[in-house]
Amino acid sequence: ETGVTQTPRHLVMGMTNKKSLKCEQHLGHNAMYWYKQSAKKPLELMFVYNFKEQTENNSVPSRFSPECPNSSHLFLHLHTLQPEDSALYLCASSQVGSGGAREQFFGPGTRLTVL
Amino acid sequence: DAKTTQPPSMDCAEGRAANLPCNHSTISGNEYVYWYRQIHSQGPQYIIHGLKNNETNEMASLIITEDRKSSTLILPHATLRDTAVYYCIVVLASSNTGKLIFGQGTTLQVKP
Repeated sequence: ETGVTQTPRHLVMGMTNKKSLKCEQHLGHNAMYWYKQSAKKPLELMFVYNFKEQTENNSVPSRFSPECPNSSHLFLHLHTLQPEDSALYLCASSQVGSGGAREQFFGPGTRLTVL
Repeated sequence: DAKTTQPPSMDCAEGRAANLPCNHSTISGNEYVYWYRQIHSQGPQYIIHGLKNNETNEMASLIITEDRKSSTLILPHATLRDTAVYYCIVVLASSNTGKLIFGQGTTLQVKP
């Protein structure tokens, strides 16, 4: 498997459910990102992880809980979501170093529907 | 990060060059210009980036004006598969997060 993979590709959940989105990168990168894309809106950065440490939380509600156990895996744990959280959730990775950051590689996304 | 301004939509005939403009008049000297595109319902794809010199790769060319206040992405021979939303993003060169701030982008429609 190459690049950035995300599972599941589609998810339908009720407001009381708990689910998790998984992202895996096979590029040897040290930074990973979660973005949210709602219908007809630009991508919004949610979280940034650099060397497994969270370096950015873009005022995301606590019902979204990220986890980065190692530099290759990133999870987004979902709990008591609202219908307005329905969106395409995208994961990305890049290599960040003393010279700055390189381009980001994106996964195919998880299409989430909250009923 | 500096903001960018792009036209919301453009059309291009198949086989012709597509020239997508971007205004970044408040860019600072240590900020790169990056271009990504997003084909419908897929993840964005990196295209090209530059600091002040023009750049070319197998996908596109990037022309940056001498004052760096604007740039143009050129797809030399557009195909139907180039129909997508194109994003111009300014990124701090020394960024330790590499975070991207996306705008609305330009929706390019390539027509047969």
